[in-house]
Amino acid sequence: GENVEQHPSTLSVQEGDSAVIKCTYSDSASNYFPWYKQELGKGPQLIIDIRSNVGEKKDQRIAVTLNKTAKHFSLHITETQPEDSAVYFCAACYNQGGKLIFGQGTELSVKP
Amino acid sequence: EAGVVQSPRYKIIEKKQPVAFWCNPISGHNTLYWYRQNLGQGPELLIRYENEEAVDDSQLPKDRFSAERLKGVDSTLKIQPAELGDSAVYLCASSPTSGTGYTFGSGTRLTVV
Repeated sequence: GENVEQHPSTLSVQEGDSAVIKCTYSDSASNYFPWYKQELGKGPQLIIDIRSNVGEKKDQRIAVTLNKTAKHFSLHITETQPEDSAVYFCAACYNQGGKLIFGQGTELSVKP
Repeated sequence: EAGVVQSPRYKIIEKKQPVAFWCNPISGHNTLYWYRQNLGQGPELLIRYENEEAVDDSQLPKDRFSAERLKGVDSTLKIQPAELGDSAVYLCASSPTSGTGYTFGSGTRLTVV
């Protein structure tokens, strides 16, 4: 069935270092891959997304890469800041279905 | 532009009692979703609406959960009767079309005691 695996579950980095979160999806029909940041007591907030016809997308300090053959996609945050600390979720979606399948989440801690 | 508005933010009820959550999506968004997020996990879809029609409710426990979206705008999710295992955050989201451009609300944290 549909499944998204996310690693690591927790990640601690020093301010200024890079952080990488990796996800694997099972449904080869998935064609849309968003990443969400969730702070305590708030709903998930979209930070970047990528479609299956693109291999890489960048927005300032955040980048996402997609390997459709391997069914892997990753989030890269460079020059991390304490305000990047939050739980990050990857998700996969088959547009015609409209349902997001979420990973289990990664708790990122950026230490000043 | 106002985001997705949910109420209440928090709800504590005793088991076997009914509870209802309300969602007002972003204006013009035809697709509305209800997700449930258990502690330490990612959200899971309960039901998806295209305008007024529920097009995916396969994950909704229909013996105790019900939902409606009147006039294709606001939506209500109801649980009757609530069980201890229903304690979770209930998230509403909307999008212009199905599958992309999701915006989530802040959620309703339900505690069943």
